[in-house]
Amino acid sequence: EVQVVESGGGLVQPGRSLTLSCTSSGFTFGDYAMSWFRQAPGRGLEWVVFIGDKLYGGTTEYAASVRGRFTISRDESKTIAYLHMNRLKTEDTAVYYCSRDLRDRSGYYTADFWGQGTLVTVPS
Amino acid sequence: VMTQSPAALSVSPGERVTLSCRASQSVNNKLAWYQQTPGQAPRLLIHGASTRATGIPARFSGGGSGTEFTLTISSLQSEDFAIYFCQHYNSWPRTFGGGTKVEIK
Repeated sequence: EVQVVESGGGLVQPGRSLTLSCTSSGFTFGDYAMSWFRQAPGRGLEWVVFIGDKLYGGTTEYAASVRGRFTISRDESKTIAYLHMNRLKTEDTAVYYCSRDLRDRSGYYTADFWGQGTLVTVPS
Repeated sequence: VMTQSPAALSVSPGERVTLSCRASQSVNNKLAWYQQTPGQAPRLLIHGASTRATGIPARFSGGGSGTEFTLTISSLQSEDFAIYFCQHYNSWPRTFGGGTKVEIK
């Protein structure tokens, strides 16, 4: 059974750092890209960051709102994707979802399986 | 920019419903639909504009091309009352529409 489980959320003061983990199982981790998305309370979905699979060099992409503050990485041996968040702002408050990304024949990626999310709260 | 319409609609179980999603420029059919029920993670329904994801019932169908896309649910079941989001993945950043909430009439 495919599973992705987020952890590491919590209450963090503005300007501080936090690292989220996405632990994966039930599939060959190295064959898949991974992404993080977020959803602020009562709001829509926002894509945050992407990391490619090993075969395609593990390239990364970042939303403009987090570029320079957030970093994604992956540990193939532990099958974990990490989201390192620095200089957190109140507007980063959201449920953060990790996803497995399905690559189509053209090399485009869709988030095909999501975890249940972890809440990050940055108070004002 | 992805724009969904309507923002919400009330539907009776068993009815057919069609949701719309418009992209501000062509997304080359790199369009996905997600379903989200309260407190749950999004679930992929459709990718490539019209391909059902694994395990998705046949009552869900996606259509359209270029900039105009639709998601049709042929006969609404109780578990289908949810928020539906479209998302393009043609380029970075991948962006979502604002969602359509399907409520019970």
